[in-house]
Amino acid sequence: SQQGEEDPQALSIQEGENATMNCSYKTSINNLQWYRQNSGRGLVHLILIRSNEREKHSGRLRVTLDTSKKSSSLLITASRAADTASYFCATDLIQGAQKLVFGQGTRLTINP
Amino acid sequence: SQTIHQWPATLVQPVGSPLSLECTVEGTSNPNLYWYRQAAGRGLQLLFYSVGIGQISSEVPQNLSASRPQDRQFILSSKKLLLSDSGFYLCAWSVGGKYNEQFFGPGTRLTVL
Repeated sequence: SQQGEEDPQALSIQEGENATMNCSYKTSINNLQWYRQNSGRGLVHLILIRSNEREKHSGRLRVTLDTSKKSSSLLITASRAADTASYFCATDLIQGAQKLVFGQGTRLTINP
Repeated sequence: SQTIHQWPATLVQPVGSPLSLECTVEGTSNPNLYWYRQAAGRGLQLLFYSVGIGQISSEVPQNLSASRPQDRQFILSSKKLLLSDSGFYLCAWSVGGKYNEQFFGPGTRLTVL
């Protein structure tokens, strides 16, 4: 089964609102990453948070990691129509060999 | 700067025909290389990854194979396509080591009829 599970599967909000997506995983990790995918395109890396970090910021993005709960959240503040995309979390397993395991993604729609 | 190329962008093939998708990376040496498949509206399934020339790890048993004939070239192949091989195929690379992000190509949309 998939290591990462995003929640919700789909999210629709108004432009200017904040969007929060969650990711849960099952086994110990080295790091957790968030990616964005526009429809029909490749994925773009957004942010990486290591297992010994609890929070990280990049522009309008804020990622938190709770290793005790095996969960992470991605917050996009002041959303824009251009933020419309699918967002995936990916985990780099401690037992893995330089590979990532992706979740099913959250489809985010920002309404103008 | 590094770039990743993937072609073709779209492909329509009949059942039973062969397949060859190519991915090349520029601007880096000894990258890790990956092939993923993505079903519509779903996440990514890792198919193969390679940490060096001639070194291929297969993640799932299937009708596909991968090869890495050169350091920055990764090829996904099939001798006979099945309907279930349809999907969006993505190639990605990363710097060797465990703590790095992956960089994705634009993808190939494969439809098997």
